[in-house]
Amino acid sequence: EAQVTQNPRYLITVTGKKLTVTCSQNMNHEYMSWYRQDPGLGLRQIYYSMNVEVTDKGDVPEGYKVSRKEKRNFPLILESPSPNQTSLYFCASSLRDAYNEQFFGPGTRLTVL
Amino acid sequence: DQQVKQNSPSLSVQEGRISILNCDYTNSMFDYFLWYKKYPAEGPTFLISISSIKDKNEDGRFTVFLNKSAKHLSLHIVPSQPGDSAVYFCAASGNTGNQFYFGTGTSLTVIP
Repeated sequence: EAQVTQNPRYLITVTGKKLTVTCSQNMNHEYMSWYRQDPGLGLRQIYYSMNVEVTDKGDVPEGYKVSRKEKRNFPLILESPSPNQTSLYFCASSLRDAYNEQFFGPGTRLTVL
Repeated sequence: DQQVKQNSPSLSVQEGRISILNCDYTNSMFDYFLWYKKYPAEGPTFLISISSIKDKNEDGRFTVFLNKSAKHLSLHIVPSQPGDSAVYFCAASGNTGNQFYFGTGTSLTVIP
């Protein structure tokens, strides 16, 4: 089954404790992206990647890191999480670029205390 | 600064009637537009898209209209069904690098 998977689905952590949210897709897509969803703000793009070793900032990249060492994986790293990063996070992938529909993962609910 | 705006946070429609969801954008460089539907506890799913070379695109009960001069697009759902109850996001991209920009969403409730 073609899908985007994210782990964990739920995470409660404390300020400053480094964490990684994994994202994997099995559709051989070149484009992958991370979003956060907050009430009243919709979905905002954090980072995106056009292909392996190619990443770029979205609208809200501060406090986040990403890497794309393999085509299928695109982890999101929070080196020192803060409470304002409490949010619902989505990973997405598309075939090639921003002219293709994106397929979204199920989301990761992160709470930073 | 929100480049894609959905000014109606919510909409209620009777089953069988038309649902019209609206979206405005500010960046004239956008040339590809999409609508996504999102159920609670799930990721958004793609619904329909339109390129700026068109002004209308249909897929079954769903039609997207694009008015480039007004920087406005709308999604029409006819007839509306209770299963259409969800949050709908519009998104824009293209000619602005490879970023996607999403609106804040409209929660549609279809009343049986």
